[in-house]
Amino acid sequence: DADVTQTPRNRITKTGKRIMLECSQTKGHDRMYWYRQDPGLGLRLIYYSFDVKDINKGEISDGYSVSRQAQAKFSLSLESAIPNQTALYFCATQRGQGRSEQYFGPGTRLTVT
Amino acid sequence: QKEVEQNSGPLSVPEGAIASLNCTYSDRVSQSFFWYRQYSGKSPELIMSIYSNGDKEDGRFTAQLNKASQYVSLLIRDSQPSDSATYLCAVNHRGTYKYIFGTGTRLKVLA
Repeated sequence: DADVTQTPRNRITKTGKRIMLECSQTKGHDRMYWYRQDPGLGLRLIYYSFDVKDINKGEISDGYSVSRQAQAKFSLSLESAIPNQTALYFCATQRGQGRSEQYFGPGTRLTVT
Repeated sequence: QKEVEQNSGPLSVPEGAIASLNCTYSDRVSQSFFWYRQYSGKSPELIMSIYSNGDKEDGRFTAQLNKASQYVSLLIRDSQPSDSATYLCAVNHRGTYKYIFGTGTRLKVLA
C-alpha cells in the first residue's frame, strides 16, 4: 500500500461548491503539507502542519482551509470553488526532526467549471 | 530574481548519454537540497538529497553541490527513455519549514 494516499484522485465540480480533498499517511511523519501545481508556476504551498495542534498558512492560502484530524490525516477544503482553483493538488509529508525529505502523495486533479 | 531557478528545457539527450541538469538558488543560508523526478500528471518522486559541498552518487544519479557558487546539479549517466520527465530542484533553509521548488527542467531521452 502507498505510504501517502489522496482522495479523490480526480474531481470535477462547479463554481460555488464546497469540496474537500483528503490526505492520509502511514509513514508516521509529523509534518504535512498541501501544495498546488499549475503549469509554469511550479509547486506552491497552501497550508502546512507540524502536528495536530500546529497549522499554518502558506503562500497562497486564500480560498482554502484545512483540518488536521490526526497525525495521519490532513484535509484541504475549498469553501466556494472558483475556476482559477483548477489545478493539481499534492499532499506531502516530512519527518519532523533534522534534515529530511518531503514525500508526495499521488495528487488530486481538480477541475472547477 | 527567482529563489530557485532552472532552465525549463526541453533538454534532449540521446539514449546512453549523460544528462546534466542545473539549478541555482539565491539565498546563501540554504542548507538542504533535493532533486525530484515528475512524470506528466504524476506526483514528484524524490531522487536524491544533498547537504554538503561535493558529489553524492546513487546508482546512475550524481548530485553535485557548490554552496560558494550557489548551484546544485544532477547528472544522469546512461540515460534511458524512461528517464524522460521533468526534474524539480528544491531548496530548504535551515530551521524553516519552507521548501522552495524550481519550476523544473523537462528532459527528453531520445531512443
